[in-house]
Amino acid sequence: DVKVTQSSRYLVKRTGEKVFLECVQDMDHENMFWYRQDPGLGLRLIYFSYDVKMKEKGDIPEGYSVSREKKERFSLILESASTNQTSMYLCASRGTGTGVWNEQYFGPGTRLTVT
Amino acid sequence: DAKTTQPPSMDCAEGRAANLPCNHSTISGNEYVYWYRQIHSQGPQYIIHGLKNNETNEMASLIITEDRKSSTLILPHATLRDTAVYYCIAVTGNQFYFGTGTSLTVIP
Repeated sequence: DVKVTQSSRYLVKRTGEKVFLECVQDMDHENMFWYRQDPGLGLRLIYFSYDVKMKEKGDIPEGYSVSREKKERFSLILESASTNQTSMYLCASRGTGTGVWNEQYFGPGTRLTVT
Repeated sequence: DAKTTQPPSMDCAEGRAANLPCNHSTISGNEYVYWYRQIHSQGPQYIIHGLKNNETNEMASLIITEDRKSSTLILPHATLRDTAVYYCIAVTGNQFYFGTGTSLTVIP
């Protein structure tokens, strides 16, 4: 079974802090994704990566950056956390090579609170 | 990617079939229809997908209309554990737009 793990289930940070959210997948997937989920807004794509050191902006990249130095790891960085970044953050991975219909596998999520 | 619209909430009696509709009237010819569900406090979980033909797996059936402008996810015998938010997504390429989904409550 594919496993996507996220470094923390719950995280509390102060405004202005630099925050790292880590995601690791064990299926050698090329594609990895970061979403945030807020009540009434569903899941929104922040960034995705289709290969090591490659990244693409999603719908809401402002205030975030990402890093993909190794295939299995995709990090989301909040350079200077703000209260409006309080949210549930979900990481996902997806393979390629067998068509566009490959499913995304999600991690359990990190609930970040910025105070 | 095509936008999808779903009712915000539905109820279903335990043991009965749950039929969840999705409208994707702007879907293009190469966009797949995916369904995911999210149980409280967990990440979304893949259910099923299709392009033109109806599909069935151990979890559900997917009925896509001939013009592909809408689809229905069918859970044949809903259980309490099927209570979740269900997302219908039209996909091509790498970006999945989840929207807000349908919150299904299975009632004992």
